[in-house]
Amino acid sequence: GAGVSQTPSNKVTEKGKYVELRCDPISGHTALYWYRQSLGQGPEFLIYFQGTGAADDSGLPNDRFFAVRPEGSVSTLKIQRTERGDSAVYLCASSLGGAGEQFFGPGTRLTVL
Amino acid sequence: DQQVKQNSPSLSVQEGRISILNCDYTNSMFDYFLWYKKYPAEGPTFLISISSIKDKNEDGRFTVFLNKSAKHLSLHIVPSQPGDSAVYFCAASAPIKSYGNKLVFGAGTILRVKS
Repeated sequence: GAGVSQTPSNKVTEKGKYVELRCDPISGHTALYWYRQSLGQGPEFLIYFQGTGAADDSGLPNDRFFAVRPEGSVSTLKIQRTERGDSAVYLCASSLGGAGEQFFGPGTRLTVL
Repeated sequence: DQQVKQNSPSLSVQEGRISILNCDYTNSMFDYFLWYKKYPAEGPTFLISISSIKDKNEDGRFTVFLNKSAKHLSLHIVPSQPGDSAVYFCAASAPIKSYGNKLVFGAGTILRVKS
């Protein structure tokens, strides 16, 4: 079956702009995670959804970052007033339950000029 | 505060030989450890895992060893093949709210298997 998909694969934006990154999880997976991978580092946890609700958003770096999952499937990560330090690969993962194996998408590479 | 560390940024091994990738962690509350493999322009893919109550788990050419007293785990690949060339991430699972589990990753080790 189809895996986790993320769009766009690449996004270049200017400092101060707003961006939205989309994640389509594996069908039937109730849990969805966002991670951010900066250059030379491993992925870092941002936020976890169980169904439609953000169950744990403790990894979001500040209030410029926000994520939604209105129907319990597709999720959108939103970044306001982007900064150069936001440049990274944003990864989405989904799992059958909260504690199940996480399947990752290919990521969105965000570049803030 | 890096809770999971992979101190070797890269490793080069001859085809057919053993590859050993190492990982150290600091948080004794981690209950599960995983290895992920990543190719360029793809997301990480799960390789093998081990529960904190075990000291070894084997799956084909891949074996993970856990030494809880030393807070150390390692991944052994025998025999190594050119297709194993990738970035390998060590990750630890930490329970979070609503029965979730966040993965805490190391920085990764680039493995190159030479033919």
